[in-house]
Amino acid sequence: SQTIHQWPATLVQPVGSPLSLECTVEGTSNPNLYWYRQAAGRGLQLLFYSVGIGQISSEVPQNLSASRPQDRQFILSSKKLLLSDSGFYLCAWRTDTVAYGYTFGSGTRLTVV
Amino acid sequence: QKEVEQDPGPLSVPEGAIVSLNCTYSNSAFQYFMWYRQYSRKGPELLMYTYSSGNKEDGRFTAQVDKSSKYISLFIRDSQPSDSATYLCAMSAQTGGFKTIFGAGTRLFVKA
Repeated sequence: SQTIHQWPATLVQPVGSPLSLECTVEGTSNPNLYWYRQAAGRGLQLLFYSVGIGQISSEVPQNLSASRPQDRQFILSSKKLLLSDSGFYLCAWRTDTVAYGYTFGSGTRLTVV
Repeated sequence: QKEVEQDPGPLSVPEGAIVSLNCTYSNSAFQYFMWYRQYSRKGPELLMYTYSSGNKEDGRFTAQVDKSSKYISLFIRDSQPSDSATYLCAMSAQTGGFKTIFGAGTRLFVKA
């Protein structure tokens, strides 16, 4: 069965510090991978998605970047965090079949102080 | 106007009640409609999926889509305290490359 791992679960970082969140998927190959951010009272905001190694599409221009160094690894990064980067970050994967929906990781609660 | 509107709640009901959760949308091209359930501090999990209009039933859950009114609903029968969670509607269209738009979520509390 397919599983998705995301860590860390909670992170408190000072403004201006770097960020690296990692996500890995098991049990499937060549998944479509996604990074979402969820803010209180708002829907999930798509940040980045990737259909293959080294292929990254950005949905929202911002202080973040993403990379996919391996087929089942997806990394979200920032060189200098802003207060506005606080939120709940979710990694997800999906096959090409929309009916199967997304499988989400357990999320990272990021607080920038 | 947001593409997908969902009442954030919270919605509080007694155990055993029938719960109705709703979303409206503006993009008539949406064809795929989903409901996700999200427990506190967890990622969302897919609960129901419906293609185009109609009803779909799975145990205590029924998803309903009315494309003419651009309105979708999720009904929960015999609600249980374990149903307490945030429910997010989501939808996508082939014309948009299946980009999924999520509602903000409705927080549900089922009291024992």
